[in-house]
Amino acid sequence: QSVLTQPPSVSGAPGQRVTISCTGSSSNIGAGYDVHWYQQLPGTAPKLLIYGNSNRPSGVPDRFSGSKSGTSASLAITGLQAEDEADYYCQSYDSSLTVVFGGGTKLTVL
Amino acid sequence: QVQLQESGPGLVKPSGTLSLTCAVSGGSISSSNWWSWIRQPPGKGLEWIGEIYHSGSTNYNPSLKSRVTISVDKSKNQFSLKLSSVTAADTAVYYCAKDCGITHWFDPWGQGTLVTVSS
Repeated sequence: QSVLTQPPSVSGAPGQRVTISCTGSSSNIGAGYDVHWYQQLPGTAPKLLIYGNSNRPSGVPDRFSGSKSGTSASLAITGLQAEDEADYYCQSYDSSLTVVFGGGTKLTVL
Repeated sequence: QVQLQESGPGLVKPSGTLSLTCAVSGGSISSSNWWSWIRQPPGKGLEWIGEIYHSGSTNYNPSLKSRVTISVDKSKNQFSLKLSSVTAADTAVYYCAKDCGITHWFDPWGQGTLVTVSS
């Protein structure tokens, strides 16, 4: 049981917009800790996608964006492409002094 | 550009100790960063194990704290993980990663190494 809750799966057609939610609590996201997002392509290590709620590392397309409000955060992907099919994980920090992850969301491009 | 590479035995016997090393290249382990271990059981999500600073200071996941030791070897620019009393539940891909910033995001990650606990 992950501390942060994500939908197990989302899907969308090429060119569409999809969002992935990440719900926490008052001891992590709601306590003001930043949310970060990772993309994991099949058989590879996770790759940083968004850090500090809404910042993109160099090289990440601006089709990916992040936001945070209250005890939740969201990752939005616009102009969906086949290469976006992957698992996506949110991550934050908890007042119990530990890093916490979401359970992951599998994105299927139809 | 910093790169990380995990190494260690791919098979550990139940009740034994899992030992892995993460070699850091393209940068110094003595930089102002923490260094973390993260694992992922087959088909499951990510779990943070713990982190170390070049001074030797550590923080561990409370759920694993009694079995985990993370150490650093600055002369070899690497850090290591030991997990004792392993069971099949510890079978996972183990990743090392650079912990960036005070709000703990990880970049880059090593490629990961699969450790199977089995007799």
